[in-house]
Amino acid sequence: GAVVSQHPSWVICKSGTSVKIECRSLDFQATTMFWYRQFPKQSLMLMATSNEGSKATYEQGVEKDKFLINHASLTLSTLTVTSAHPEDSSFYICSAPPPLLAGPTYEQYFGPGTRLTVT
Amino acid sequence: AQSVTQLGSHVSVSEGALVLLRCNYSSSVPPYLFWYVQYPNQGLQLLLKYTSAATLVKGINGFEAEFKKSETSFHLTKPSAHMSDAAEYFCAVRSYGGSQGNLIFGKGTKLSVKP
Repeated sequence: GAVVSQHPSWVICKSGTSVKIECRSLDFQATTMFWYRQFPKQSLMLMATSNEGSKATYEQGVEKDKFLINHASLTLSTLTVTSAHPEDSSFYICSAPPPLLAGPTYEQYFGPGTRLTVT
Repeated sequence: AQSVTQLGSHVSVSEGALVLLRCNYSSSVPPYLFWYVQYPNQGLQLLLKYTSAATLVKGINGFEAEFKKSETSFHLTKPSAHMSDAAEYFCAVRSYGGSQGNLIFGKGTKLSVKP
């Protein structure tokens, strides 16, 4: 099946610095990818929709200047957390819908997630 | 707008016992429903999905779920729990809103399996 990878799987950064998280579709093209955030012992909340070749769409309450999303190719979306603060520490997960050739499966393929800790 | 509600944030069963994880949905249109499992510090793995075909859906690892429109439910069951089933389980509905195709998740249910 289709595979979505994320890099890094785990990152620690100092407060005030920026960190970039990559989400790749390994064997299919994804014009759309989704970024979710998961706080400890909580559910996944959609942060933004990443669109290849155009601006990302952010959910209400998500600061677009803080969480920069770039979808520069059909297999790569990046999330950059700028000027990170300890409250940004979380588990970030990306997902992509299956390729169109797979038919209307309606599901999402999820990456393994990135654990961000801001000290 | 769509939403899902998972009843019970924590369910504990004995090994070999029935697993029942509850999910109720709200949707103004016919829903597409999913159950995902998450192991610690990992992403989500699809267990099964309902996409308006058979109302009884069989998934991986012996799990199944039944779509009941009259009860707006999509409960997840497994006849006999294994220790390896201990994980967090999320019920989700596909959004028909502005963010096309994304999933809306319930708060999750942590399943513990006692030996």
